[in-house]
Amino acid sequence: NAGVTQTPKFQVLKTGQSMTLQCAQDMNHNSMYWYRQDPGMGLRLIYYSASEGTTDKGEVPNGYNVSRLNKREFSLRLESAAPSQTSVYFCASSTSGNTIYFGEGSWLTVV
Amino acid sequence: QQQVKQSPQSLIVQKGGIPIINCAYENTAFDYFPWYQQFPGKGPALLIAIRPDVSEKKEGRFTISFNKSAKQFSLHIMDSQPGDSATYFCAASGGDSSYKLIFGSGTRLLVRP
Repeated sequence: NAGVTQTPKFQVLKTGQSMTLQCAQDMNHNSMYWYRQDPGMGLRLIYYSASEGTTDKGEVPNGYNVSRLNKREFSLRLESAAPSQTSVYFCASSTSGNTIYFGEGSWLTVV
Repeated sequence: QQQVKQSPQSLIVQKGGIPIINCAYENTAFDYFPWYQQFPGKGPALLIAIRPDVSEKKEGRFTISFNKSAKQFSLHIMDSQPGDSATYFCAASGGDSSYKLIFGSGTRLLVRP
């Protein structure tokens, strides 16, 4: 049971570099999400996709773009990384927006 | 704007104690209130959830108490164990936010042997 799989697990970027975080789920869920987790801030929603073909902004979308490639995959792109984007990123999925299943996280450091 | 406020930020109890974590929300359209548990290096996992039609829900040693009029809900862990040491997040969704969970800031719990 893979559940929600994120890659890469760890990444170090230089300021201004770009990168894409990949996410795939094998639970046939309609909805997918990207959250970031920072100390003392909890989990903040960056973008979500309620269903295949749709994406919407969450609480903190600035500096990010997303692509819902198909029902299984939802990627997060940083076009020009900034130190403020140093964080742990979690991809998640759900059937109806209630029980959300999270991946194991991607640790990103921007220097 | 923090729609779900969680306290305390950290909590230390002895084994067998009953830690209580509190959350308050602002949006009266919220109708789903889960608690997530996160161990270091892992993603959060659903622990227990409640809807506003009941005031209390128990699952094993974990209990959610819900006060709709006060817009507050809390997690109680009975007979806490060192294995319960983790970070706990409350969350809420509903209304215009039905597709997205809004999380509290988290509580780091340490249960001493």
